[in-house]
Amino acid sequence: QKEVEQNSGPLSVPEGAIASLNCTYSDRGSQSFFWYRQYSGKSPELIMSIYSNGDKEDGRFTAQLNKASQYVSLLIRDSQPSDSATYLCAVNFYGGATNKLIFGTGTLLAVQP
Amino acid sequence: DAGVTQSPTHLIKTRGQQVTLRCSPISGHKSVSWYQQVLGQGPQFIFQYYEKEERGRGNFPDRFSARQFPNYSSELNVNALLLGDSALYLCASFGERQGPYGYTFGSGTRLTVV
Repeated sequence: QKEVEQNSGPLSVPEGAIASLNCTYSDRGSQSFFWYRQYSGKSPELIMSIYSNGDKEDGRFTAQLNKASQYVSLLIRDSQPSDSATYLCAVNFYGGATNKLIFGTGTLLAVQP
Repeated sequence: DAGVTQSPTHLIKTRGQQVTLRCSPISGHKSVSWYQQVLGQGPQFIFQYYEKEERGRGNFPDRFSARQFPNYSSELNVNALLLGDSALYLCASFGERQGPYGYTFGSGTRLTVV
């Protein structure tokens, strides 16, 4: 069973701080990794994708990937109250003709003003 | 440019009834997938369709079925509804050359079974 694990939180950070969200996955063959943000009652919104080891930056967001350790992280700099949401880590799984995302349970982030 | 559209937004059904959910992918995207998200969990894969063919099925009972039409829109059908089918049903379209690489989700259909 392919799995993706996240700490469910809540992770509470003060406004302006760096929020660090972590995710581990079990399938060593995975190649594509995604972070989605989900506000309460809404659908997931893609915020970052990463495919190669190292860091990928987009505005206040940085995704980090370490395939040897099977570890993906998301850093949010200068956290704002509007960043308060559940962050879902997803790993793309290819099996036969199937292409699907396997999600973690999500980490609830609360940014305190 | 329209994103992934789903209908209806909300639905209340009684146990034992049948329901059909609809999805239109982003223009140019040929792959549509369905996910179920129950409260407090991440989305779970139900089906993937590509070019009108089923490419994958998750661990869901045969009460769940789907199809994709020539215009790449899709329907998810659930028969003999159970209370446990209450969830947010998400449709995602996938494109490699248009839009962000990765899956884009629709706004979802909130199904409540009473």
